[in-house]
Amino acid sequence: GDSVTQMEGPVTLSEEAFLTINCTYTATGYPSLFWYVQYPGEGLQLLLKATKADDKGSNKGFEATYRKETTSFHLEKGSVQVSDSAVYFCALAGANSKLTFGKGITLSVRP
Amino acid sequence: NAGVMQNPRHLVRRRGQEARLRCSPMKGHSHVYWYRQLPEEGLKFMVYLQKENIIDESGMPKERFSAEFPKEGPSILRIQQVVRGDSAAYFCASSPGQGGSYEQYFGPGTRLTVT
Repeated sequence: GDSVTQMEGPVTLSEEAFLTINCTYTATGYPSLFWYVQYPGEGLQLLLKATKADDKGSNKGFEATYRKETTSFHLEKGSVQVSDSAVYFCALAGANSKLTFGKGITLSVRP
Repeated sequence: NAGVMQNPRHLVRRRGQEARLRCSPMKGHSHVYWYRQLPEEGLKFMVYLQKENIIDESGMPKERFSAEFPKEGPSILRIQQVVRGDSAAYFCASSPGQGGSYEQYFGPGTRLTVT
């Protein structure tokens, strides 16, 4: 079945540091890929998405490229801010568009 | 355009009671998904519904759990005879259509605590 694997967390960075969060997936066919962010006590918000190979999703300084050859969708940001502190989930849309999520990773950014 | 609404936000039930969780999708959205988030875990798909139809319930536990999305009114996730292991955050998401290009919009979740 479909699965998403994220790097283990938590991750703590200083403000303005570079961020990479790894995500790899296993799926049949060509799924759409997503990064969601969850702030404390809230629901998930879509951060970015890519629907086909080599697509790059971007939003709020975050980027991720759909790499079919490596089945990866790593999240990057060149300079993180304290306000980026949250839990980040990688996900894919499979059959019936249901989302399969990774376990999530907590990012804390120090001033 | 109001977002996805869920109520209650917090629900406490004793073991053996019933829990009813409600989800009102965004206006114009006829596709609803329910997910469960256990502590320290990611979200797991439970069920996908369209108006008056269950499309995919492959993630629903076989017993005690049921879901509906009537022609009028919110979608309901019902858990009968709750047990401590049902304690989790339950999120619903709505979408205007099916397919990877359609974004799912999530509600704030209902946090169920079973005592």
